[in-house]
Amino acid sequence: GNSVTQMEGPVTLSEEAFLTINCTYTATGYPSLFWYVQYPGEGLQLLLKATKADDKGSNKGFEATYRKETTSFHLEKGSVQVSDSAVYFCALTGSYNTDKLIFGTGTRLQVFP
Amino acid sequence: KAGVTQTPRYLIKTRGQQVTLSCSPISGHRSVSWYQQTPGQGLQFLFEYFSETQRNKGNFPGRFSGRQFSNSRSEMNVSTLELGDSALYLCASSPGTANNEQFFGPGTRLTVL
Repeated sequence: GNSVTQMEGPVTLSEEAFLTINCTYTATGYPSLFWYVQYPGEGLQLLLKATKADDKGSNKGFEATYRKETTSFHLEKGSVQVSDSAVYFCALTGSYNTDKLIFGTGTRLQVFP
Repeated sequence: KAGVTQTPRYLIKTRGQQVTLSCSPISGHRSVSWYQQTPGQGLQFLFEYFSETQRNKGNFPGRFSGRQFSNSRSEMNVSTLELGDSALYLCASSPGTANNEQFFGPGTRLTVL
């Protein structure tokens, strides 16, 4: 079945450091891929998405490219801020006629000044 | 446009009781999904409703049920509560066409004593 694998956290960085959070997936067909972010005490917010191979999703300085050949959707940001500290979830929808999301385990990011 | 709202935000119940959680989607959205979030199991899909019909269902026991009303509002019910049902229950809505991003509410934190 469909699944998402994320790198284990926590990821600890200093402010202005470069961020990469790895995400790979297994899916039949052509899934849509998403990154969601969860700040403490809140629900999930969509960070970015990509719906087909080679698409690049971007938002708030974050980017991720849909790589079908490596089945990956790694999240990157060139310069992180303390306010980026949160849990990041990679997810996919892969089935026809559903919005059901399959999530990775989440990666906690901690950014220190 | 108002976001997804969930009530109540916090709930404390004892084992054996039942509970009903409510979700109001974004205006115009016809699909509502529910997810359970726990530290051990992460984010797990419960069910998805579209136009008052259950469109998809996750691997949860029959104690977990849901429904959607004609105005797209949704409720989920858990009967005979167990300690392991303690979790954050997240509701998400989307327009309803497949593979759309979902917009999440803040969640209901259920504690079972």
